[in-house]
Amino acid sequence: DGGITQSPKYLFRKEGQNVTLSCEQNLNHDAMYWYRQDPGQGLRLIYYSQIVNDFQKGDIAEGYSVSREKKESFPLTVTSAQKNPTAFYLCASRHNTGIGNQPQHFGDGTRLSIL
Amino acid sequence: QQQVKQSPQSLIVQKGGISIINCAYENTAFDYFPWYQQFPGKGPALLIAIRPDVSEKKEGRFTISFNKSAKQFSLHIMDSQPGDSATYFCAASIAPLGAGGTSYGKLTFGQGTILTVHP
Repeated sequence: DGGITQSPKYLFRKEGQNVTLSCEQNLNHDAMYWYRQDPGQGLRLIYYSQIVNDFQKGDIAEGYSVSREKKESFPLTVTSAQKNPTAFYLCASRHNTGIGNQPQHFGDGTRLSIL
Repeated sequence: QQQVKQSPQSLIVQKGGISIINCAYENTAFDYFPWYQQFPGKGPALLIAIRPDVSEKKEGRFTISFNKSAKQFSLHIMDSQPGDSATYFCAASIAPLGAGGTSYGKLTFGQGTILTVHP
């Protein structure tokens, strides 16, 4: 089945540690996105990428980094500079036709907690 | 100006009743308004979406009403069922203007509404 796979489902980070969240899609979508979800705050955009080897900061990029070396993969690294990393992280992808809007499709998230 | 304000934060409805969730926006460049449904531990799933050239869109029990002059849109769930209990998010985005468009279809989300439908 086509879809977006996020792994792991649960992740724990120690102080001073970088952790990487995986996002893989087999929908042949051009654009990929990372969101952070906190209770009562909706979804906030961390980073997005329209094409391979290109990505842009979203609204809350500080303390995070990404790469887009392959069309189907968009990993997110939560660095030690992110002082409040506990949240539910969601990856999404979208077919970029360049004309009009196409819906974003989401994975089932990774819940990150601090040890 | 990029904000989308959603209300209420939580909503309790009896089975068979109508659930109504409202959203308001400021940016008149927004031209795509989707609603997402999210169950606990899952990612949001697209429920229904509307563009500002129509005032209403209906899909089954779900209807979006859109008021362009008031910059408001709402989701109506008719004959609400316990299985509809979930968190609902409205969102808005600007359509990319051709292949080089800079908006990149970025979605701005509302804060979410937790809907509980009692049997």
